[in-house]
Amino acid sequence: AQSVTQLDSHVSVSEGTPVLLRCNYSSSYSPSLFWYVQHPNKGLQLLLKYTSAATLVKGINGFEAEFKKSETSFHLTKPSAHMSDAAEYFCVVTPNNDMRFGAGTRLTVKP
Amino acid sequence: NAGVTQTPKFQVLKTGQSMTLQCAQDMNHEYMSWYRQDPGMGLRLIHYSVGAGITDQGEVPNGYNVSRSTTEDFPLRLLSAAPSQTSVYFCASRTTRSEAFFGQGTRLTVV
Repeated sequence: AQSVTQLDSHVSVSEGTPVLLRCNYSSSYSPSLFWYVQHPNKGLQLLLKYTSAATLVKGINGFEAEFKKSETSFHLTKPSAHMSDAAEYFCVVTPNNDMRFGAGTRLTVKP
Repeated sequence: NAGVTQTPKFQVLKTGQSMTLQCAQDMNHEYMSWYRQDPGMGLRLIHYSVGAGITDQGEVPNGYNVSRSTTEDFPLRLLSAAPSQTSVYFCASRTTRSEAFFGQGTRLTVV
């Protein structure tokens, strides 16, 4: 069975400081992994995806994530937070047939 | 291309009423899914389909019914609405191991 755990329900950073949102997955084989972002009262937007190519994946808006099979992790990072990054972030794992979401991490950015 | 079209955007039901949430995609994707989003729980999979005529249950299928008669359409039926079904519902479509494309969501309130 596939599952995904987001280790922090809420992360707060100051503008201009690094962002780290942590995600661990469990899988019996190499999955596809994604990060989505949801701004308040908005739909879901794809940030980046890993589908068994390069382990360091670059996404939109300066975000990137590294797939570490030995640690079963897919943490999302950004070197410098911007106020517009405040949102809910979801780590997602998908085998062939269904797609499972983590519970989400709410990112707050302080001025 | 319209992508994934989900209707209605808002709906209020009385307990015991039935209704159908519509979902259509024009990308010829074989996989379609329905999720519900509740605070602190991420998106939970209700039902999904891997092609016309094939559906399967997700994490929280009770009280919901689906069918997939065409590749394009994947309606979600609430058989007898309950207050516990108050939520935001998202429809999604994708191809094998690709990212999902989401509808704009339906905010359902059951009173």
